[in-house]
Amino acid sequence: DGGITQSPKYLFRKEGQNVTLSCEQNLNHDAMYWYRQDPGQGLRLIYYSQIVNDFQKGDIAEGYSVSREKKESFPLTVTSAQKNPTAFYLCASNDRGPSKQYFGPGTRLTVT
Amino acid sequence: EDQVTQSPEALRLQEGESSSLNCSYTVSGLRGLFWYRQDPGKGPEFLFTLYSAGEEKEKERLKATLTKKESFLHITAPKPEDSATYLCAVQASQGGSEKLVFGKGTKLTVNP
Repeated sequence: DGGITQSPKYLFRKEGQNVTLSCEQNLNHDAMYWYRQDPGQGLRLIYYSQIVNDFQKGDIAEGYSVSREKKESFPLTVTSAQKNPTAFYLCASNDRGPSKQYFGPGTRLTVT
Repeated sequence: EDQVTQSPEALRLQEGESSSLNCSYTVSGLRGLFWYRQDPGKGPEFLFTLYSAGEEKEKERLKATLTKKESFLHITAPKPEDSATYLCAVQASQGGSEKLVFGKGTKLTVNP
């Protein structure tokens, strides 16, 4: 089955630790995205990548980093510099052009 | 700046009671408007894409319409399984990126 996988579903970390969230897609899409969702809020864009080895900051990139070494993979690192990292993180991908984005199941990160 | 406003924030309906959700947008050239459904703890699921004013799309009990300033998601004779948060997003034609701007969503509850 084609789709987007995110792992793990739940992640717990202590404050001050970096943590990496995985996102893999087998849809052969060029573009991939990371969003953050907080209760009662819409999706806010963290980073996006339209092609391998290239990515751009979204609206809330501070405290996050990404890489795009392979077309199918777009991992997100939440660094200790992110002040409020506890949230639901969603990865998405799509073809170039005005096409719908496909979303993964999400990773809920809790930092204490 | 591109903006999306959804109303109401929450809506409670009785089973069979039809209603509409609103998505107002301001965007520098619309490439596409997207509706998604999101269940608690899951990634958004694509419903519709609308590209130009006057366009309509239907799927089961849902019908999406588009004008130059807003989109409506009409729900006819809803059932409890239609309960979810409905998200609206726009993609702008300027800038060359594929990114979407999301509204905060409307949480729909359908009581039996």
